[in-house]
Amino acid sequence: GEDVEQSLFLSVREGDSSVINCTYTDSSSTYLYWYKQEPGAGLQLLTYIFSNMDMKQDQRLTVLLNKKDKHLSLRIADTQTGDSAIYFCAEPFDNYGQNFVFGPGTRLSVLP
Amino acid sequence: SQTIHQWPATLVQPVGSPLSLECTVEGTSNPNLYWYRQAAGRGLQLLFYSVGIGQISSEVPQNLSASRPQDRQFILSSKKLLLSDSGFYLCAWRRWGAGGMSGELFFGEGSRLTVL
Repeated sequence: GEDVEQSLFLSVREGDSSVINCTYTDSSSTYLYWYKQEPGAGLQLLTYIFSNMDMKQDQRLTVLLNKKDKHLSLRIADTQTGDSAIYFCAEPFDNYGQNFVFGPGTRLSVLP
Repeated sequence: SQTIHQWPATLVQPVGSPLSLECTVEGTSNPNLYWYRQAAGRGLQLLFYSVGIGQISSEVPQNLSASRPQDRQFILSSKKLLLSDSGFYLCAWRRWGAGGMSGELFFGEGSRLTVL
C-alpha cells in the first residue's frame, strides 16, 4: 500500500536551519504537500510543490523534490520558536486523486 | 472566502454513549469532504470521505459512521463509543475535481474526543 515516512523528532537551536525529510511511494503524484500543526489545532497548509519541479522557495521555506529517490524535504531558514510544531508531508493517493496519505509527522522543537 | 467549522471542539463521553461530530463548509459548492482521526502522538488516519450528498466511502472498518445530508455538511457518528475511539478528529474539504489545480486539503480546527 501507499506509505509516507518521516522521522518523528527534530530539535534545532533558534536561528539555525531546520531540514525535515520525507519519503513517499506514489511516483504518479502530481503535487506533494507540507502541512504544519500547532498544539491543539488543525493542519495548516504550508506549501506544496508540483511534481515537475525540483525546488520551490517561499520566503524562509525551501522545498526540494528528488523524484528518482521519491524524497521530499522542507528546509526552514532562521528557525524561530514560533516554528515549533508538527510537520506533515502528504501525497494524494488513489485512482482519482481523491484521498491523501499523510506521513506520521515530524515534531520540530526549537531551543532558545 | 471559504471557511470550515467543526463542533464541538472538545467532548468527554462515557464508553457506550453515542457520538455526533459536525462539520460545515462555507463559500464553496460540491466539495470533497473528509474525516480524519489523529491518535495521541501519531499521524492522520483517514476514516471517511465523500464526493457528494449521500456518497460515503469508508477507509477503516470500525464502529463509526459518516453521513452527508447536505452538500456542505459532514457528520461523524457512533451509536456506542469505545475507549479506543478517543482522539483528535479533523474534518477537511477539497475542491471537487481539483485536476490541474494544487488540490490541497483545508482542515477544520479539530474536535478532541475523550472516552472514559
